[in-house]
Amino acid sequence: GAVVSQHPSRVICKSGTSVKIECRSLDFQATTMFWYRQFPKQSLMLMATSNEGSKATYEQGVEKDKFLINHASLTLSTLTVTSAHPEDSSFYICSANRASLQETQYFGPGTRLLVL
Amino acid sequence: AQSVTQLDSHVSVSEGTPVLLRCNYSSSYSPSLFWYVQHPNKGLQLLLKYTSAATLVKGINGFEAEFKKSETSFHLTKPSAHMSDAAEYFCVVRGLTGGGNKLTFGTGTQLKVEL
Repeated sequence: GAVVSQHPSRVICKSGTSVKIECRSLDFQATTMFWYRQFPKQSLMLMATSNEGSKATYEQGVEKDKFLINHASLTLSTLTVTSAHPEDSSFYICSANRASLQETQYFGPGTRLLVL
Repeated sequence: AQSVTQLDSHVSVSEGTPVLLRCNYSSSYSPSLFWYVQHPNKGLQLLLKYTSAATLVKGINGFEAEFKKSETSFHLTKPSAHMSDAAEYFCVVRGLTGGGNKLTFGTGTQLKVEL
């Protein structure tokens, strides 16, 4: 159990376009989902925390108007990178908490974004 | 604020020999600590976690870690390395801010296992 999926796994887009990444908890309800960014050979950096039905909480330095997060249901959160630029190219990873086991986060496989 | 320091960015061992991946933490309260593993092109997988119960924590695939408050350490060990253990390992601390479940990742240790 506790499987988290992400779609797409890889995406290439042109500069200036928007890209949506989906994060789904497949076999459990996720009260909280998290979005991370990982640059090559670096650690994961938390971008934002989202709770179902409420606005996301963004970490310092993360532009909320550029990285739009929607957590419409207990099994789905989306991250939209708006007006993407080459510097947004990165590995984006989501994770989710089970409602009954708050201290453990289950991670998705990640989405590699390349902005040309 | 909490933080973790992974002392080695790369560790290389021979197959069948012990593995030691070092992690020190900083926290103003009793922390929850985790080790995650990341294989290439795969999601992060939880190896084990410490949440103020037994200080010696056993995880999956033969890994274990010992929480030592006096040394502020949470080193990851395995008696005998296998080729499939080659991956990136992250030591992680859970904080009380950010809704109670904010994870802070260490910089990672790349484990290489040689024949």
